[in-house]
Amino acid sequence: GAVVSQHPSWVICKSGTSVKIECRSLDFQATTMFWYRQFPKQSLMLMATSNEGSKATYEQGVEKDKFLINHASLTLSTLTVTSAHPEDSSFYICSASQTKHLSWVFGPGTRLTVL
Amino acid sequence: DAKTTQPTSMDCAEGRAANLPCNHSTISGNEYVYWYRQIHSQGPQYIIHGLKNNETNEMASLIITEDRKSSTLILPHATLRDTAVYYCIVRVSTGTASKLTFGTGTRLQVTL
Repeated sequence: GAVVSQHPSWVICKSGTSVKIECRSLDFQATTMFWYRQFPKQSLMLMATSNEGSKATYEQGVEKDKFLINHASLTLSTLTVTSAHPEDSSFYICSASQTKHLSWVFGPGTRLTVL
Repeated sequence: DAKTTQPTSMDCAEGRAANLPCNHSTISGNEYVYWYRQIHSQGPQYIIHGLKNNETNEMASLIITEDRKSSTLILPHATLRDTAVYYCIVRVSTGTASKLTFGTGTRLQVTL
């Protein structure tokens, strides 16, 4: 079946540094990918919709200059957390839409810890 | 997209059927019912989806009421590995370029 991978699976960084998370669709092309954030004991919150070759669409309250999204190819989207702070520590999950089966495939997630 | 209501938590004995209900009384005619689950510290996993007919796959069955205002996900023989948060999501599925919005889900605990 369709698989979405994320790299890295976990990362620890110092406050003020930037972190890049990659999301890849391994065996299908995804014109649209989604980025979610999940805090402990909470549900997934959509951050932005990433469209191949165009600018991402951010949800209300999500800072686009802090969470940079690039979707340069049909199989890769990246999320860069710039100038990370401890409150950015969270579980980041990407998803790719699979039009053929009318479903969305999720990656395994990336746990970010900012010290 | 229509809102959904699910119980916060449920327990089920291993080997028994787990029946997870979902209310979606404001569902529109072109909206599908999707079920995903999230095992602790993993990304959500697709289970099943349907429009109005009952659906079955290797993981589960989806029973949708005739008026489509509610549905039930059935795991026929629950195992400990089915312990997870189950999300019922209703949305239009004419394309998948639109976002998928998660509610709070039902935390299913399968016990020995």
